[in-house]
Amino acid sequence: AQSVSQHNHHVILSEAASLELGCNYSYGGTVNLFWYVQYPGQHLQLLLKYFSGDPLVKGIKGFEAEFIKSKFSFNLRKPSVQWSDTAEYFCAVNGYTGNQFYFGTGTSLTVIP
Amino acid sequence: DAGVIQSPRHEVTEMGQEVTLRCKPISGHNSLFWYRQTMMRGLELLIYFNNNVPIDDSGMPEDRFSAKMPNASFSTLKIQPSEPRDSAVYFCASSRDVGEQYFGPGTRLTVT
Repeated sequence: AQSVSQHNHHVILSEAASLELGCNYSYGGTVNLFWYVQYPGQHLQLLLKYFSGDPLVKGIKGFEAEFIKSKFSFNLRKPSVQWSDTAEYFCAVNGYTGNQFYFGTGTSLTVIP
Repeated sequence: DAGVIQSPRHEVTEMGQEVTLRCKPISGHNSLFWYRQTMMRGLELLIYFNNNVPIDDSGMPEDRFSAKMPNASFSTLKIQPSEPRDSAVYFCASSRDVGEQYFGPGTRLTVT
């Protein structure tokens, strides 16, 4: 069965610090990969996605993620976080065996001004 | 595009009452998902439909929960009877084939 692991449950950073959130998935076939963000009190919004091509994907608000197939990873990065990046971040995987998404448990990011 | 529409946005009900949550997916999307989010359990997939047909309902907690999708533009999630432990935010999401999911604003359900 497919699964998604997010190793960091809660991350606290100061503004301007660099961010990297880990995401690993277990699936042997072709996958689509996603990062979603959920700001406090809001719904999930797409940050970025990878379907194919360049494994380094750039998303909104300065976020990027790198797909490393050999490591089954899709880590999210941002060189300099802002207070407004405080949110919950979810990694998700969609395999071609069906239309079901598998979400990670989420990582709560708190950015201290 | 109005995005995924959910109603009501907030629902407060007493234990034992029937609750119906509604969702209108984005036009042209052929998959619809219902999720439940709580602090304790995080984001849980309850059920998803593809072309109006339920594909996987293994996440539905128990028989008190039921979901329908009578047509491509409407789905309901019903809880009968409701219990306090059902209190959560319920999200509906839709997608086109294996594309990204678009989430609705959610329904915050409180069962007293």
